[in-house]
Amino acid sequence: GENVEQHPSTLSVQEGDSAVIKCTYSDSASNYFPWYKQELGKGPQLIIDIRSNVGEKKDQRIAVTLNKTAKHFSLHITETQPEDSAVYFCAASRMDNYGQNFVFGPGTRLSVLP
Amino acid sequence: KAGVTQTPRYLIKTRGQQVTLSCSPISGHRSVSWYQQTPGQGLQFLFEYFSETQRNKGNFPGRFSGRQFSNSRSEMNVSTLELGDSALYLCASSLWGEILNTIYFGEGSWLTVV
Repeated sequence: GENVEQHPSTLSVQEGDSAVIKCTYSDSASNYFPWYKQELGKGPQLIIDIRSNVGEKKDQRIAVTLNKTAKHFSLHITETQPEDSAVYFCAASRMDNYGQNFVFGPGTRLSVLP
Repeated sequence: KAGVTQTPRYLIKTRGQQVTLSCSPISGHRSVSWYQQTPGQGLQFLFEYFSETQRNKGNFPGRFSGRQFSNSRSEMNVSTLELGDSALYLCASSLWGEILNTIYFGEGSWLTVV
């Protein structure tokens, strides 16, 4: 089955710097890749997603890139702010005979230092 | 538009008891999935329901069960609780279709087994 790895597990950056989180997946049939942000005590919130027919997607300070050949995708946050501090999860998804299957990475704890 | 609503938010149970958690999906969403989140294991898929039928199931023992009602609301039940069942239980909903859909999470139900 699908396996999603995520690095780094923890990341500390200075406010205003950029942060990059990388994920790799094993199933070449996966074709949808969402990213979630989870703040303390809350459920994961979708922040950006990308489908396999697109190489890059950007939404203000957040961008995601996808390399299907290498089977990896990355989250880029520019001009980080203290409110970006949270745990970030990547996921890989595909359709199978039973519906849509999601496999999540283990998460990255991002700390933005003021 | 209201998000995914989960109740109760917090609960404490004793080993051997059973628990029922409830989830109301986003209006119009017909697919509901459940995940267990623990510090050591991350986000693990429990099961998914669509049109009152379990469509997909993760690798959890039979003590974990669920159901979906005609209004798409869902419940999950854990019987004979064990200490290791202490976790955040997350419900997620999505539209259903032949294309890949985003899943949206609720705030979760924090279960502590003592």
